[in-house]
Order: sequence, then structure tokens, then C-alpha cells
Amino acid sequence: DAKTTQPPSMDCAEGRAANLPCNHSTISGNEYVYWYRQIHSQGPQYIIHGLKNNETNEMASLIITEDRKSSTLILPHATLRDTAVYYCIVRVREYGNKLVFGAGTILRVKS
Amino acid sequence: NAGVMQNPRHLVRRRGQEARLRCSPMKGHSHVYWYRQLPEEGLKFMVYLQKENIIDESGMPKERFSAEFPKEGPSILRIQQVVRGDSAAYFCASSPFSGKEETQYFGPGTRLLVL
Repeated sequence: DAKTTQPPSMDCAEGRAANLPCNHSTISGNEYVYWYRQIHSQGPQYIIHGLKNNETNEMASLIITEDRKSSTLILPHATLRDTAVYYCIVRVREYGNKLVFGAGTILRVKS
Repeated sequence: NAGVMQNPRHLVRRRGQEARLRCSPMKGHSHVYWYRQLPEEGLKFMVYLQKENIIDESGMPKERFSAEFPKEGPSILRIQQVVRGDSAAYFCASSPFSGKEETQYFGPGTRLLVL
């Protein structure tokens, strides 16, 4: 079962930052926070992951609280193409550890 | 570097037929995972394979489903005697062998429809 809690849906205006929260209060010390998204039943797309430090790549930023019990995925300038289901997943970053997907957050970017 | 490839993208089968789904991992990736997404449901892990070995099949249905990842060629997910409940999207993910840490990258999926 998924060990994360996400809001079921969010709206964001095009061009604005989208901030997607995730609670993972039972995260273990060796578990990473991963974010994937699925655009209209395409294959899940890897976005970013982190352990305890904030991370940034060309797609997004990941902010993890100091106690690691929650995190926020930030899409700095959302576009219509960012409309998707966003999944927050915690897992030990080792081979064979499957991804456990919850329901995710449906992000709707509106013009 | 091409991404994970899956074929066919769409597959229609009648009840009782066999379905064979293929997954070619990204170049240099030797670990393959299969996931299934039933209509209006989340993605669920099925099986994890390395070349020529099934490592974890805890998510595979007990009957009719099998998977392989031969030394040469793609990974195959095989469903025998398909039933309507097998209609779903099947996704394959691959990861590189680069030490202990890994990230999974997904293919576009195969949509199976059983009539």
C-alpha cells in the first residue's frame, strides 16, 4: 500500500508555479521521495527524486521538509502540457524495489 | 538514446486467445519491471526481471500469466487464455545497472482489449 498522502486534485493557472504537496509521515531514513507523472494514460514519466536535500532539475524542484515527513513538487511555470496525474512515491532506492503508486494528484493547468 | 519501447501499442484479443506483450529496455539497462493499470485504477507492480532471471513475481496473477527476459531480445509478458478482466494498460519500466541505486523509466505501454 502507498505510504504517501496527496490531495486528489489541484488547479493551476498557466504560467504560474504549481506546488504539489505530499505527506509521507512514516518515511524511513533510507527511503527516497520520488515523483512521477502520467499524462492522459501515457507511460509514467520520471520527474525527480530526493533523500533529504532540496533537488532541482530541468523539469521541477523538490522541497523536502527538515523532518522529511512531507515534500512539495514545484513546477515553476506550468503549461497546459503539464496537466497530468502526479504521483509521490517513497521507496528505498535499490534494485528490485517496486514502485507503489497511490491515487496521485490530478493537476489541471488552465489558461 | 531511445527510451523504453513496447509493442504492440494496442492489442485486441478474443477471450481464450493468447496475448504477448514485448518490452525493449533502454540501451544499457538490464533490469525490467512490468506494471498493470486496470481501467480507472492505479498502477500495480507485477514482476521484476533481470536478464534470464525472474527476481520478484509477487504481483503476478497465479495462473495464465508468465514473463521472461531472455539473454537476447526483449522481455515478454505472456497472458494465456485471456479473459475480459485482463483488459488493461501494461507498462514496462527499465533501469540501468549502475551500482546500488536505480531509477525506473517507463515505456508508453500496451493497451490490451479482450473482447
